[in-house]
Amino acid sequence: QVQLVESGGGVVQPGKSLRLSCAASGFNFSTYVMHCVRQAPGKGLEWVAAISYDGSNKYYGDSVKGRFTISRDNSKNTLYLQMNSLRAEDTAIYFCARVKMGRIVEDALDYWGRGTLVTVSS
Amino acid sequence: DIQMTQSPSSLSASVGDRVTITCQASQDISNYLYWFQQKPGKAPEVLIYDASSLETGVPSRFSGSGSGTDFTFTISSLQTEDIATYYCQQYDNLPLTFGGGTKVEIK
Repeated sequence: QVQLVESGGGVVQPGKSLRLSCAASGFNFSTYVMHCVRQAPGKGLEWVAAISYDGSNKYYGDSVKGRFTISRDNSKNTLYLQMNSLRAEDTAIYFCARVKMGRIVEDALDYWGRGTLVTVSS
Repeated sequence: DIQMTQSPSSLSASVGDRVTITCQASQDISNYLYWFQQKPGKAPEVLIYDASSLETGVPSRFSGSGSGTDFTFTISSLQTEDIATYYCQQYDNLPLTFGGGTKVEIK
């Protein structure tokens, strides 16, 4: 079955960097657009970034543009989110999610991981 | 960005009750809306996509309707396992945007 497992979260100081990973299994990862979504503690959901199935196109939310980089390694079935210049307001659970229709960026997210918690604090 | 206004933010109902949640988009999104359920510590699960299509394996007590800017999500007969927070999300345009969520509790 489809599984998405995030890792790499933790406590990090403001201004530092962190790289999250999302390991995919149970489907042909290389043919699906992938998204990252975050949820601050007790808050709603915020779309963070997306990447095309082949990694050639990347899209970012305004709050992370220029600081975060989404990438993927299709040979390892893994999605990455490199987060630089972290701020307190980046504290959240970070989820990876797969689109339903494969190659369409604007699509329903039909499978999500459980998320990994990133805490930015001094 | 497309704003999604979801209401109510929470509700309490009895087992067997009909529960309705609404979601309003700030502009026409056709039927590019889905509803999903989130339980604490678990991955969100999609229930309805394309505003009214039931995801495979999802119980038929869940349903969705609407198009354009106004959408409705219904649980026809609330069960204890339905205790969760429900969200709408539009996928007409990036950035994908979400409703604020509705926390459903048992009375």
